[in-house]
Amino acid sequence: EAQVTQNPRYLITVTGKKLTVTCSQNMNHEYMSWYRQDPGLGLRQIYYSMNVEVTDKGDVPEGYKVSRKEKRNFPLILESPSPNQTSLYFCASRPVGTASSYNSPLHFGNGTRLTVT
Amino acid sequence: GEDVEQSLFLSVREGDSSVINCTYTDSSSTYLYWYKQEPGAGLQLLTYIFSNMDMKQDQRLTVLLNKKDKHLSLRIADTQTGDSAIYFCAESLGGYNKLIFGAGTRLAVHP
Repeated sequence: EAQVTQNPRYLITVTGKKLTVTCSQNMNHEYMSWYRQDPGLGLRQIYYSMNVEVTDKGDVPEGYKVSRKEKRNFPLILESPSPNQTSLYFCASRPVGTASSYNSPLHFGNGTRLTVT
Repeated sequence: GEDVEQSLFLSVREGDSSVINCTYTDSSSTYLYWYKQEPGAGLQLLTYIFSNMDMKQDQRLTVLLNKKDKHLSLRIADTQTGDSAIYFCAESLGGYNKLIFGAGTRLAVHP
């Protein structure tokens, strides 16, 4: 089954304790992206990657890191989490470089709810 | 600037039509999308419209685009309880590297 898998689904941690949220897709998609969803703000892009070893900042990259060493994986790293990073995080992927790229929908994972105390 | 605005809540009776509205600000947007988010799940693409179109119909869904007013709407005919969800409007800028999402409209369907 084609899917984007995020782990964990729920995470409660304390300020300053490094954490990683994993994201993996099995569709051989080049493009992957991380979003955070906050009430009243919709989804805001944190980082995205057009392909292996190519990453770029989105709208709210501060406090986050990403890496793209393999095509299927795009982990989100919080080196020193703070309470304002409490949010619902989504990973998404899609193919690029085809004639129908614009029509290709973003495939979303089921989300990771992070609470930083 | 880049901004997508939606009303936050909509309540409709089962069987009625729902209309969810969205305004966007960037006239260079190429595609506009509607995504649906059910509880505990990620977003799923419902439908999209290219910026040179006025209308698109897909079964119970009708998308209307008024490019002059930068207004997008999603009409759901014969709304069912299974349509209860959060609906996000999104615009793509340039090469689709960037999708700007609205805050989402929570649709509640009551009997």
